[in-house]
Amino acid sequence: GQNIDQPTEMTATEGAIVQINCTYQTSGFNGLFWYQQHAGEAPTFLSYNVLDGLEEKGRFSSFLSRSKGYSYLLLKELQMKDSASYLCAGMDSNYQLIWGAGTKLIIKP
Amino acid sequence: GAVVSQHPSRVICKSGTSVKIECRSLDFQATTMFWYRQFPKKSLMLMATSNEGSKATYEQGVEKDKFLINHASLTLSTLTVTSAHPEDSSFYICSAKTGLDTEAFFGQGTRLTVV
Repeated sequence: GQNIDQPTEMTATEGAIVQINCTYQTSGFNGLFWYQQHAGEAPTFLSYNVLDGLEEKGRFSSFLSRSKGYSYLLLKELQMKDSASYLCAGMDSNYQLIWGAGTKLIIKP
Repeated sequence: GAVVSQHPSRVICKSGTSVKIECRSLDFQATTMFWYRQFPKKSLMLMATSNEGSKATYEQGVEKDKFLINHASLTLSTLTVTSAHPEDSSFYICSAKTGLDTEAFFGQGTRLTVV
């Protein structure tokens, strides 16, 4: 079956770095997406990885290892506004997104 | 960037009535639109996938006669919740894509409350 696993909740300190892990099993693979979702709002796109390696975008970076079925989202210089849920989604061979349950990130001062 | 507009953002309706939610891609043609339902503290649950000009493909367990989806043009898809009941109260979100392997852009979501 298809499955996306990510931690339910994480806590970090303002100004610090946090890494949110995601493991995936999909029927075929056409990329891995990360979205940010604030409470009561729709998700917003953060990153897309389809090749192995690290993609950096400002304070956010995303890593992919296709052989391990593993990705992580790295957030640096954490700000209070980064408190949100982070959704990992794998795209299968039919180009359908398989969603993880999301990781709730709590930032403390 | 691509913008998807979803309307209304909030709606309260009486049990037994129908509610229509619109999803529009404002600056691109959306070949595919998706409708999701999200319960509190839960991830997105895909309800159906719709391609312009064809019937929507519903996920298992989603009643197609209750959740009517119309994708009449490349920029508009609608979800109609028919004969709404309190258990239909939820956060409904649409997303749209320009192609198969592109990112999905989300609408703002609609908070439906059935009383």
